[in-house]
Amino acid sequence: AQRVTQPEKLLSVFKGAPVELKCNYSYSGSPELFWYVQYSRQRLQLLLRHISRESIKGFTADLNKGETSFHLKKPFAQEEDSAMYYCALTPYGANSKLTFGKGITLSVRP
Amino acid sequence: DTGVSQDPRHKITKRGQNVTFRCDPISEHNRLYWYRQTLGQGPEFLTYFQNEAQLEKSRLLSDRFSAERPKGSFSTLEIQRTEQGDSAMYLCASSIRDRGSEQYFGPGTRLTVT
Repeated sequence: AQRVTQPEKLLSVFKGAPVELKCNYSYSGSPELFWYVQYSRQRLQLLLRHISRESIKGFTADLNKGETSFHLKKPFAQEEDSAMYYCALTPYGANSKLTFGKGITLSVRP
Repeated sequence: DTGVSQDPRHKITKRGQNVTFRCDPISEHNRLYWYRQTLGQGPEFLTYFQNEAQLEKSRLLSDRFSAERPKGSFSTLEIQRTEQGDSAMYLCASSIRDRGSEQYFGPGTRLTVT
């Protein structure tokens, strides 16, 4: 069975502060991990995935198989980062269903 | 092509009625997914298709739910004899059948069962 845990529901920071959104997963095989973001009144969209190892909008995430984590980080938060963030998992190479965490609301105050 | 579209965007129905939702994926995408999202939860997988074949259904999907993708293009999700617990946002997503392919989501259909 696959499980994604996002332990916090809300993170509120001031503009310019560092951000770390936590994600832990449980899966017996090799996972493929994603972060999806939903801005206010917009649809869910992919932010980044571990296989591409990219930095998107200043965000990075590293897959730590030892700790089964895929935390999302940004060194300096911007107000436009305020959104709902979901961590998701699918079996590696399967391109099948996504298992999502419950999500976390990031609020960046001016 | 402006992305995945869903119709209707909102649906209010009385308990016991049947409802049907439609999803139009991005045209070249051969995989189509349905998810359900309730308040405070992430999207939860319901079922998915590759072309017209339904490859997987969640065990959470009761017999009152049925989905089709008759010509491998648009898909419909029908809920029969709706219950108040069916109230949720129903999301559709599509992707290309390639490893690591991104799923593109539609805006969702919000169902309210009164």
